[in-house]
Amino acid sequence: SQQGEEDPQALSIQEGENATMNCSYKTSINNLQWYRQNSGRGLVHLILIRSNEREKHSGRLRVTLDTSKKSSSLLITASRAADTASYFCATAAVTGTASKLTFGTGTRLQVTL
Amino acid sequence: DGGITQSPKYLFRKEGQNVTLSCEQNLNHDAMYWYRQDPGQGLRLIYYSQIVNDFQKGDIAEGYSVSREKKESFPLTVTSAQKNPTAFYLCASSNQGAREQYFGPGTRLTVT
Repeated sequence: SQQGEEDPQALSIQEGENATMNCSYKTSINNLQWYRQNSGRGLVHLILIRSNEREKHSGRLRVTLDTSKKSSSLLITASRAADTASYFCATAAVTGTASKLTFGTGTRLQVTL
Repeated sequence: DGGITQSPKYLFRKEGQNVTLSCEQNLNHDAMYWYRQDPGQGLRLIYYSQIVNDFQKGDIAEGYSVSREKKESFPLTVTSAQKNPTAFYLCASSNQGAREQYFGPGTRLTVT
């Protein structure tokens, strides 16, 4: 089952603008992660935020987590054409040494020049 | 794509045939995973393995089988029992205690 629902499904912005994507989930989590996927490629991990954290930054990325609302947002500042990709949130439940991820349906971001 | 390789990149099979997808990692990760991705969708977990000779079913294991005889390798067999096998298959691994997963480049399987 897919726990995460992402909003919007697609987003088109111009280079230099900020892009915000939202993710909602249903059950308790250990952490929430964001991944990026270029068309037809594997996923690349972007950032992880633990359930006891509220905000995290990495370069041009800012992630927030609100466990009371079961939601997260990913902000990409000063977007570039190279940011064009699909972005997925994934909620994590830890099972032994494995980390089971449940992915959302993704936001397709298009950044135009 | 890190230190995970998947082969081949594209695979074509006739309906009724079993097919095995390869996944190898040189990251010395304990855990490995197989996901399926359908067009415009997120990833769904097929199987995962925490250690050698051990694996667990994910959310959509029916019609698939795996083995974990070596730490580096986690092949996935798509059997003829899988009703809708055409999809993009992604393999991933993670370190013990860490949470982020590292993904391979994927194999696109088409069954006709």
